[in-house]
Formats: sequence, C-alpha cells, structure tokens
Amino acid sequence: DTAVSQTPKYLVTQMGNDKSIKCEQNLGHDTMYWYKQDSKKFLKIMFSYNNKELIINETVPNRFSPKSPDKAHLNLHINSLELGDSAVYFCASSRAGANYEQYFGPGTRLTVT
Amino acid sequence: GENVEQHPSTLSVQEGDSAVIKCTYSDSASNYFPWYKQELGKRPQLIIDIRSNVGEKKDQRIAVTLNKTAKHFSLHITETQPEDSAVYFCAASKKDGNNRLAFGKGNQVVVIP
Repeated sequence: DTAVSQTPKYLVTQMGNDKSIKCEQNLGHDTMYWYKQDSKKFLKIMFSYNNKELIINETVPNRFSPKSPDKAHLNLHINSLELGDSAVYFCASSRAGANYEQYFGPGTRLTVT
Repeated sequence: GENVEQHPSTLSVQEGDSAVIKCTYSDSASNYFPWYKQELGKRPQLIIDIRSNVGEKKDQRIAVTLNKTAKHFSLHITETQPEDSAVYFCAASKKDGNNRLAFGKGNQVVVIP
C-alpha cells in the first residue's frame, strides 16, 4: 500500500500555464508538507499544514497556493508558471508535533518550457 | 533560522571501506537530527536519527554521532556496498519548530565496486 502518493509523476507544461499537483497520505498523519528540490538536489520546505491549518509558509511566490481539503490531502496549485519553477516537488507527511519522521511521496517532476 | 551545512559534497569510496559525512548546525536550540537517503530518481527516506539527549546511535552498518558543544553531527557507514550509493541529507529541527526540518545540501556518496 502506498503511504504517501502524488499525482502526476511527471508534468510538462508551458510558461504562463496554471497547474496543480495532488498529494494524499494514508498514514493517519496530521501534518503534511510541500518541498521543492532543485537541479542541485537542494531540498527546501515550502509549506506545511497541520490538520488543515497552515503552519509553515516559507518565502515562496504567491503564485504557489497550497490547499488542504482534509488532513489526508494537500494539493499545490501553481499559477503563471515560470521556467524557474522547474523542479521536483515532494509532498511529505508526519505525526503532529516536533521531531517526527517525515514520509515523502515519490515526487512530481515539473518541467516548464 | 537554522543553517545546516554538509561536507564533503561528493564522496567516493571503495566497496568495503567506510564513509563519513559531517554536518554542522547553527541553532543551539535544535534537538533532533535525522539523516535521509535519496537514491537516484527516488524519494528521500529516513535511515537514522538522533536526539540531543544521546551522543551516538547505531543501526547495523550505519551510525550517527552528535557533538552538541561543537554543534556538529556525523553519519558513519561501515563496510560500504554498491547499494549505499545515493545522496545523503542531514537535517536539524527543534522542539518548538513545527517539525520544520532544515536540510543540508546533500552529499553524493559513490561506492566503487
């Protein structure tokens, strides 16, 4: 059974388009995250939700908007895509609170042309 | 915020030898230090973690040591095997940090058969 799943796995789109990435976890966790991994492999936190409430909101362009319809889902919508948005986006989840293992999804490779 | 640095950026070892990756952190309030392994094209996965109340933790061929005074921690892999080839990320977080992980930039470990 897949613990943290993301769709789509690959996303190729043109500049200026709007796209969404979906994430679901079946681990019963309360906290979910979005990370961006650039071409140099650097993992950077973007957002975190705890039980549908935004708790981490890093400095990302407001073209990126997360949405959590329930605690098992965290989606990422990106408006007006730019070349620099090309990266692998990972969703993750964990138990609520501090210092718990984060379980990552398989990643979505976004390519903006 | 927390700043985590990793050294070296790339490490090549002969199969059977040991590999050591070192990380330093800046925030003395950090008290949780996980290590994630990311194989090519795969998701990051936790391999070992250590909390600030212990100085060393071991799990089969991998071990992590922590020096709180010097604010550094290290990953040790003994008897390396080809399947140990991957990017390894160290991270740090603190109890009041919403489980926010500050990742290092990653180390590419290459085990030469």
